[in-house]
Amino acid sequence: AQSVAQPEDQVNVAEGNPLTVKCTYSVSGNPYLFWYVQYPNRGLQFLLKYITGDNLVKGSYGFEAEFNKSQTSFHLKKPSALVSDSALYFCAVRKAAGNKLTFGGGTRVLVKP
Amino acid sequence: KAGVTQTPRYLIKTRGQQVTLSCSPISGHRSVSWYQQTPGQGLQFLFEYFSETQRNKGNFPGRFSGRQFSNSRSEMNVSTLELGDSALYLCASSITGTQADFSYEQYFGPGTRLTVT
Repeated sequence: AQSVAQPEDQVNVAEGNPLTVKCTYSVSGNPYLFWYVQYPNRGLQFLLKYITGDNLVKGSYGFEAEFNKSQTSFHLKKPSALVSDSALYFCAVRKAAGNKLTFGGGTRVLVKP
Repeated sequence: KAGVTQTPRYLIKTRGQQVTLSCSPISGHRSVSWYQQTPGQGLQFLFEYFSETQRNKGNFPGRFSGRQFSNSRSEMNVSTLELGDSALYLCASSITGTQADFSYEQYFGPGTRLTVT
């Protein structure tokens, strides 16, 4: 079975400070990893993905994520957070060989001015 | 390109009734997936369709079913509604080029909020 853990229900950060949202996964075989963001009353928006290659992946809106195979982690980062980054963030994993997309429980990010 | 559209956006049903939700994927996308989002259970995968065939299924009872048409539009049906079926139902599409390619990201619609009373 595959699973995703987002250990923090909420992350608070001051505007301009670095933002990190943690994600660890468990899956057999090679993983495909994704980050999505959800704003109130909206569907999920795709931020970035790791399929293969460079462990540092750059995505939309200045976000990036680092794939660490030994720690089975895929943490989302942004060097300088904006108030508009306040939203619900989801990490997801899928087996390369084909399976359902499994989401973590989500982390609410609150960026204070 | 237009995004993923879902209809209706809001729905109120009574326990025991059935409901059909509709999803139109992004033009050219052949894969459509459905998810249930609730505060308690989070995002849970329902099923995925590719070229009118269900290729993945989550752990939901048989009351939940779906189908995909030749134009890639998809519907999901929930029969004999229960109070616990109240949720935001999200549809997502991806461009998946082949049956064996699972690397493409999914694009989500705004969801249908179903309330069962």
